Amino acid sequence: NAGVTQTPKFQVLKTGQSMTLQCAQDMNHEYMSWYRQDPGMGLRLIHYSVGAGITDQGEVPNGYNVSRSTTEDFPLRLLSAAPSQTSVYFCASSYSPDSFKRGTIYFGEGSWLTVV
Amino acid sequence: GNSVTQMEGPVTLSEEAFLTINCTYTATGYPSLFWYVQYPGEGLQLLLKATKADDKGSNKGFEATYRKETTSFHLEKGSVQVSDSAVYFCALSATNDYKLSFGAGTTVTVRA
Repeated sequence: NAGVTQTPKFQVLKTGQSMTLQCAQDMNHEYMSWYRQDPGMGLRLIHYSVGAGITDQGEVPNGYNVSRSTTEDFPLRLLSAAPSQTSVYFCASSYSPDSFKRGTIYFGEGSWLTVV
Repeated sequence: GNSVTQMEGPVTLSEEAFLTINCTYTATGYPSLFWYVQYPGEGLQLLLKATKADDKGSNKGFEATYRKETTSFHLEKGSVQVSDSAVYFCALSATNDYKLSFGAGTTVTVRA
């Protein structure tokens, strides 16, 4: 049981480049989400999904796209990277939206992204 | 909107000292409250939670009580260990959506 797997762990991008952060879970979780973590700001929600084919915006969605074509995968796409997107990105999943509200959330180990 | 305010760190303690991290929140309705812990190089893990007023969450010697009258959820541990060194996040989940609002995090370092 791999849990929540994020790739890559580290990435350096040039301004204007695009890339995709991958997130996969093998627990048949309905709910998946992406957060970014910045110093002094805690974690902020980028996008989330309550099931395959359903996505919604979080607190800071600009510059990011997501899709949920399968239950297992929830990739985060940076369309044109900017230095302001330098951050640590965490994928999180939960069995259901109600499990999420009860705090039963599984986090990936994080992806460190630097945009130069 | 919903928000969480957490005491700023970093906090440095000696082993067996008492730890308290203050957390207050703003939310409509009756949110659920959580403390998450992040060990170096890892993702967040749920430490404890409380879902209604006056509930006390506890785990691994940590405790926090949901105080609706003061909109607070302070984290406490009576005797910390070096292994408690981590970043601690207070968070809330509002009753009407599927989003977690996090505090800024408090870095705790425990010295032997």
